[in-house]
This record gives sequence, structure tokens and C-alpha cells, in this order.
Amino acid sequence: AQKITQTQPGMFVQEKEAVTLDCTYDTSDPSYGLFWYKQPSSGEMIFLIYQGSYDQQNATEGRYSLNFQKARKSANLVISASQLGDSAMYFCAMRETPNTGANSKLTFGKGITLSVRP
Amino acid sequence: NAGVTQTPKFQVLKTGQSMTLQCAQDMNHEYMSWYRQDPGMGLRLIHYSVGAGITDQGEVPNGYNVSRSTTEDFPLRLLSAAPSQTSVYFCASRDSYYYGYTFGSGTRLTVV
Repeated sequence: AQKITQTQPGMFVQEKEAVTLDCTYDTSDPSYGLFWYKQPSSGEMIFLIYQGSYDQQNATEGRYSLNFQKARKSANLVISASQLGDSAMYFCAMRETPNTGANSKLTFGKGITLSVRP
Repeated sequence: NAGVTQTPKFQVLKTGQSMTLQCAQDMNHEYMSWYRQDPGMGLRLIHYSVGAGITDQGEVPNGYNVSRSTTEDFPLRLLSAAPSQTSVYFCASRDSYYYGYTFGSGTRLTVV
């Protein structure tokens, strides 16, 4: 069974509008972390946002916010006021071990392509 | 600049050749890992290490070897390259006391 599911094959959004990228996860570990990464056409992996399983509030980083619904095991990324530079592949990822541990395997979803239209 | 350095950036190999992808970090991170990225598959873990002298297999280890003789370096070896190993390879490291991962810029490998 997939641990991270990203089912949207491709998303389009108009510049300056908001967009939500979906991510669901599967784990029985009570302590885990959820990440979103951006991969532009240049290929590098850019960290966007992190949510810990025990964090009480949804994470926010500038125009990025994470809609964390623990009971539904979803961790959707919301990008507000989309910009042309947001066009990229977006990956959701999960680490299942406690934060202060050396064993830190990161499991990725298959990714979502976002295209921002002018 | 502090970070994860991967070399080479691009490589073309013939089937059966061997090579080593280099990964070095200067942040004293205990955890290092190798991923491969294939279209439609996301990033899949090949091998990882939780410290010098300690390595373990990830999701797709077949055809790859690793070793970790120092904290800084974590090379990935392809002993006999196959076309199925054509991929983009990323190295990533992490400190035990911070949630974030630092990724290298990737190595694009083509096996013909």
C-alpha cells in the first residue's frame, strides 16, 4: 500500500489565484512529519513547508500553508496568490520516526505538476 | 558554502560499466541517503546511513552498493550498470536534531 498518495496528475491555476494540492498518507506511527517539496524544471529539490504530527496548528510559510487534517490523514498544500514561478512539480513526503532520531527515512509521493497560467 | 555536493552532474555509461556517484556534506550530518527519481514514480530510497560505518537498504537497493567511512562522504556505486538504472539520483542529509533535509543538486545518469 502506498504510504503517500498524490492522485492529481496535473493542476492548472490562473495567476494570482489560490490552489490546493492534495496529499493523503498512511501510517500507524503516532509520531511523524510531513513535508512538501517543490521541483522546478531546473531539477533541484526545494523545501517548502513542514508539519509535525503533534503540531496543534497548521504550518504556514509565506504564501504556503499546509491544511493538516490528522483524522483524515491528509496534508494538502495551499498556495495563495499563485505566481508564474510556482509552475513546477510538487512532492509530498513523510518521515515516520521520531524527530530526534538518526533513522530518518523519507517516503515520497509520486508528485503533482502545477502549471500557472498568466 | 555549506550543503550537499554531488558529482558528477551528468554521466553517460555503457551497459556493464561501473562508476561511483559522489556525495559530500560539510554540515556534520549523521544521516545521509540516496534516492533515485524516475518519471511518474517520485523519489525512491536506495540506501541510507545513520552514521560512519552504518548503512542499510532502502526501497530499491538492487544493483547499488554504498559505504560510509567518514561522516562527510556517502558514495553510491554501480558495479555493472544496466539501462534500468537510467535515472536522476539525489543525495540528501539530515541532522538528528532538526527536521529538515538538505538535498544535493542531483546527478543525471544515462545507461546505454
